[in-house]
Amino acid sequence: DGGITQSPKYLFRKEGQNVTLSCEQNLNHDAMYWYRQDPGQGLRLIYYSQIVNDFQKGDIAEGYSVSREKKESFPLTVTSAQKNPTAFYLCASLPPGSGNTGELFFGEGSRLTVL
Amino acid sequence: QKEVEQNSGPLSVPEGAIASLNCTYSDRGSQSFFWYRQYSGKSPELIMSIYSNGDKEDGRFTAQLNKASQYVSLLIRDSQPSDSATYLCAVLRYYGNNRLAFGKGNQVVVIP
Repeated sequence: DGGITQSPKYLFRKEGQNVTLSCEQNLNHDAMYWYRQDPGQGLRLIYYSQIVNDFQKGDIAEGYSVSREKKESFPLTVTSAQKNPTAFYLCASLPPGSGNTGELFFGEGSRLTVL
Repeated sequence: QKEVEQNSGPLSVPEGAIASLNCTYSDRGSQSFFWYRQYSGKSPELIMSIYSNGDKEDGRFTAQLNKASQYVSLLIRDSQPSDSATYLCAVLRYYGNNRLAFGKGNQVVVIP
């Protein structure tokens, strides 16, 4: 079955450590996104990529980095520069040809806790 | 002013009643509007999309859009316990690059 796989589901990090969240999709989607969600809050866009080897900053990119070397993969690194990284991270993709339908396909999310 | 605002607190409705959710947006040029449902600890799923003024019905859900007043609403008729979730309003901000702005969501609790 096609879908988006995020790993790990739960991750604990000590302050000062970098951590990378994996996002893999087998849906053949070009556009991929990383969102952050805090308790009682909506989704805030961190980074997005519309095509391989290209990505743009979203609204809260500081302290994060991404790469898009393969169509299937869009990993997110949370660096030590991110001051408050504890959150629920969601990876999403958009079907090709969907134009502006906004029908994002989401992974199951990764919950990061900084100890 | 936030781009997408959902200001209501948690909404408790009895089973079978109508749940009404509202959302306002700031960019008058916004073209597309969406409602996502998110169960606790899970990822969001799209339940409604609306692009033109008026009402759009899909089963027990009705989305309403008023571009002049810059608001979009969601009605859930015959509410069921399975409708208990957080509902996120999303707006496409920049036509063509598929960037969605989300509101903070409204929690709905359906009481059996």
